[in-house]
Amino acid sequence: GAVVSQHPSRVICKSGTSVKIECRSLDFQATTMFWYRQFPKQSLMLMATSNEGSKATYEQGVEKDKFLINHASLTLSTLTVTSAHPEDSSFYICSAQSGQGSQETQYFGPGTRLLVL
Amino acid sequence: GDSVTQMEGPVTLSEEAFLTINCTYTATGYPSLFWYVQYPGEGLQLLLKATKADDKGSNKGFEATYRKETTSFHLEKGSVQVSDSAVYFCALSDPPNTGNQFYFGTGTSLTVIP
Repeated sequence: GAVVSQHPSRVICKSGTSVKIECRSLDFQATTMFWYRQFPKQSLMLMATSNEGSKATYEQGVEKDKFLINHASLTLSTLTVTSAHPEDSSFYICSAQSGQGSQETQYFGPGTRLLVL
Repeated sequence: GDSVTQMEGPVTLSEEAFLTINCTYTATGYPSLFWYVQYPGEGLQLLLKATKADDKGSNKGFEATYRKETTSFHLEKGSVQVSDSAVYFCALSDPPNTGNQFYFGTGTSLTVIP
């Protein structure tokens, strides 16, 4: 099946620094990737939709200047948490869309656990 | 708008017990339905899916049937194993009406004890 990787899997940083998380589709091309945030024991919350070659679409309440998304190629999207603060600590999960129409499926990366001290 | 409602957990079962996790949905159109599984410390993995009414998705002994009349997609397994312990998410996709967004249920935590 389709494989999506994320790097790093875990990161600890100091408050005020920026952190970049990479999401790659390893065996398929994805024009659309998604970034989710998951708080402990809660469901996934969609943060933004990343489209290759264009600006990301952010969900209501998500600060686009704080969570910078770049979809530079059909296999790579990056999420940069700028000037991270402890409240940004969370589990960030990306997904990549494969297929079209009724065959459309999202494949998820393993997640990146961010801890801001 | 579109939404997914899942039975609340946590669910604790003995090994070889029968599992049912209820999922119902609300959608404008004719969505595709999914079950994802999340093992501790990991991301989500697609478990199974169904794209139209009466379809049955199945994988690793798990099954779910797309029931349009009851707007349900309940997950079942006849005999659970300890390795099935995880959080299960029901989700829907309705591209003609809601674009690329997936809607997830809140997740149901399953613990299987030996």
